[in-house]
Amino acid sequence: QVQLQESGPGLVKPSETLSLTCAVFGGSISGYYWSWIRQPAGKGLEWIGRIYASGGTSYNPSLQSRLTMSVDTSKNQVYLRLSSVTVADTAIYYCARGQLRLDSWGQGTQVAVSS
Amino acid sequence: DIQMTQSPSSLSASVGDRVTITCRASQSISNNLHWYQHKPGKAPELLIYVASNLQSGVPSRFSGSGSGTDFTLTISSLQPEDFATYFCQQTYSTPLTFGGGTKVEIK
Repeated sequence: QVQLQESGPGLVKPSETLSLTCAVFGGSISGYYWSWIRQPAGKGLEWIGRIYASGGTSYNPSLQSRLTMSVDTSKNQVYLRLSSVTVADTAIYYCARGQLRLDSWGQGTQVAVSS
Repeated sequence: DIQMTQSPSSLSASVGDRVTITCRASQSISNNLHWYQHKPGKAPELLIYVASNLQSGVPSRFSGSGSGTDFTLTISSLQPEDFATYFCQQTYSTPLTFGGGTKVEIK
């Protein structure tokens, strides 16, 4: 069964770039879509966007101008970069497998934006 | 964006109870609706896809119904391991959106 593990810096300063990694174990990232979702404390889930293993992307328009997703098939990893972060970007960030329905998720990684 | 409204936001129930959670879309989404279970500190899990299809490995006490704008997740007989937060997701159009979640607590 595929397992996903998110990792990141934990703390990012305002105006800097947030970089997260989603490592996929027990299966190849090839042939699948990979999505990112986040949840601020006490709020609902927000879809950030998705990337196909070959590189095609679809982003949430609310984040598109600051967002870059990429993949490294040799490392079986998926990446998220969010630039010019503010406190509003503080959240638990999840990666998940799927274009539409998300059939496998990671446990999430907490990211705080603070000076 | 399509808004997804879940109700109730929380409920208290006992083991063996029948539990029903509702998700309403701000416009018709056909059957492009999925349900997930999330326990604290764990990865969310897909329960029901395309409104009424049980994901592999999910107990048959979980069921989903609905189409258009109104959807329901039912747990026929609540078990101790079912105490969790449940949320819906629409995939009719991007940006994909989620309901606010329903926390099922022990009475």
